[in-house]
Amino acid sequence: AQKVTQAQTEISVVEKEDVTLDCVYETRDTTYYLFWYKQPPSGELVFLIRRNSFDEQNEISGRYSWNFQKSTSSFNFTITASQVVDSAVYFCALSERTNAGKSTFGDGTTLTVKP
Amino acid sequence: DVKVTQSSRYLVKRTGEKVFLECVQDMDHENMFWYRQDPGLGLRLIYFSYDVKMKEKGDIPEGYSVSREKKERFSLILESASTNQTSMYLCASRSGLLHNEQFFGPGTRLTVL
Repeated sequence: AQKVTQAQTEISVVEKEDVTLDCVYETRDTTYYLFWYKQPPSGELVFLIRRNSFDEQNEISGRYSWNFQKSTSSFNFTITASQVVDSAVYFCALSERTNAGKSTFGDGTTLTVKP
Repeated sequence: DVKVTQSSRYLVKRTGEKVFLECVQDMDHENMFWYRQDPGLGLRLIYFSYDVKMKEKGDIPEGYSVSREKKERFSLILESASTNQTSMYLCASRSGLLHNEQFFGPGTRLTVL
C-alpha cells in the first residue's frame, strides 16, 4: 500500500530564513508520481510541482526547490528566504500506476513565517 | 481560467438530515474526487469517479454516497448526517492521466449539529 509521511506537523520560522519541508513515501510500484500542493489560509489547494519516479533531477523555481531521492524515498521541499506569504499548509502526495488513479496525501505541514 | 466550484462554502445541518454537496468543474476532466480534511489527518479520499456514472470507493466511504450523472458534476451525499461528519469537504478534478495534477475547489465547511 502507498503511504506518505510528513513528519513535521508545524514549522515556524522568521522571514528570510530558509526552511525545508520533509516528505517520505512508501510504494511498491516502479512507476509513480509525487506532488506538492500548497493550501493558503483561504483554503484552496494549489499545485506546486510534480515528479515522476524516473526523473530524479532536482528542480528550482524562484525561491522554491525540490530534492527527490529514490534511495531514501524522499521528496523534500525547500523555501529559500521565506516570506510571510509562504505561510500555508503544504501537502505532499503520491500517485501510483497500480492504484487506479487514487492519490495518497500526507497529513500536511503547517508553515508559519513571522515578520 | 480553469475552475472547480463547490455549491457552498459553509453549511450547517442537523443530525439525520440528508445533505448534498455539489461540485462542478469546467475543464472537461474525466476524474473527480471527494476528500474530507480534518486537523492532523490530512486529506482522506471518500470517493472518486473516473467517468460518468462510474465511481469507486476511497479510504473512508462509510456514511457517504456519490452521484455523477454528467461529466462536469460530482455530488457527495450524506444520507443521514451525523456529528462525526462535521468536517471540511474538498472536491478535486483531474484530466485522465495519472501524472496530472488535481485541481481543487474552495471547500465546503460542513457542521452537523
